[in-house]
Parts: sequence; C-alpha cells; structure tokens
Amino acid sequence: GAGVSQSPSNKVTEKGKDVELRCDPISGHTALYWYRQSLGQGLEFLIYFQGNSAPDKSGLPSDRFSAERTGGSVSTLTIQRTQQEDSAVYLCASSLDTAAYEQYFGPGTRLTVT
Amino acid sequence: AQSVTQPDIHITVSEGASLELRCNYSYGATPYLFWYVQSPGQGLQLLLKYFSGDTLVQGIKGFEAEFKRSQSSFNLRKPSVHWSDAAEYFCAVGPFSGGYNKLIFGAGTRLAVHP
Repeated sequence: GAGVSQSPSNKVTEKGKDVELRCDPISGHTALYWYRQSLGQGLEFLIYFQGNSAPDKSGLPSDRFSAERTGGSVSTLTIQRTQQEDSAVYLCASSLDTAAYEQYFGPGTRLTVT
Repeated sequence: AQSVTQPDIHITVSEGASLELRCNYSYGATPYLFWYVQSPGQGLQLLLKYFSGDTLVQGIKGFEAEFKRSQSSFNLRKPSVHWSDAAEYFCAVGPFSGGYNKLIFGAGTRLAVHP
C-alpha cells in the first residue's frame, strides 16, 4: 500500500515568513511523529501524536513551532517567523500503534530559509 | 539520559568487503534497538530491529546486527558490501516507558563504497 507522504518536497522561504509542512501517514496508523534532520546531524524528535490523546510537544524547539493532526490522520507542522537555523529536512513518520515501535518514514521536506 | 553514539561519521569500503558499523547506547533498561538506512533523497527505511530474544537479528538486504548488553552495543554488519549499500545509516533506541515510543537517533554513519 501507499507509504507516508509529505509535501512539499522542497520549500524555500524568506526569513520571517510562516511555512506549513504536510504529512499524510499510512492509512490505519494511529501514531504520527515529526523529526528534524539538520545538516550532518541525526534526527531530532519534535512532536508525537497518538490517536486522540494530547500530543507530546516536548521536542519542539520554540513556540514558533506548532503542529496539529486533523481527524487522526493528516498532520501539519507550522513554523512561524522562520529563522535561518530552521533550515533542515523535516521528516514525518507513522506507526501502527503505541506498542508497535516500527516507524515508517516519509521522504521529508527540505526547508531552506534565506 | 538516553543517548546513542555512532563513533564513525564516514566509512569507506571496497565493494565485496565486509562491513561493521558501530553503535553504542546509554539507557537505563533493556532498550529497543533499530538500524535505519537513508539513501540520498529518500526517507529512512528500517533495516532491522531488536526487541528481545536472540541477540543476533537478521534484517533486510543481507544485514545483521548483534545486541551485546555487556558492551551496550548494537553493531550492524554485512559480510559483502554492494555498491547500492552506499547510504547513511542511523542507529536508534526506543524507550517504552509509559507506552511512549519516541526514537532517539545517533548522528549517523555515511558509507561510501568503492568499486
């Protein structure tokens, strides 16, 4: 079946602008994650959604970052007033449920802030 | 605090040679351990995982990894590397307390394969 999809694949924005990144998880997967991958770095956890529970936002780097998940499916990561240090690849992953630790990753959105 | 260390940032091997990528973790309990591979422009793909039981786990693409509790290691191995294995490899540990499965990743090892 279809994997995790993300859009756009690339986004170039000017410093100070807001951006929205979209993630479509695998159908039926209740858990959804956002990670950030900066150049030469590993993956940094940002936020986690599980079903209808309140999301775990412990990884969000600042209050400029927010995310929502509508209808338990599609998720949007929003970065307000973008800064150059926000430039990175943003990866979304989904997994079947909390007990299933295998996460399936999307191809990512490469964000460049100029 | 939980952490994952991949000591080798870059590794270059010849095609057909054997490969071992190192991974060490710091975690207070028995971890869930993963290896992912990321090819250029692609998302991460799970190679293999260890949850419990046999400490030698087999994965896709001919990879295997061995969990050694005494050394807090989970090294990835392949007996004969193919040019298509050139990619970046990430080790990750998954804490499970509270039913919460955030993954903590190492910084990655970039593998180059010479013909």
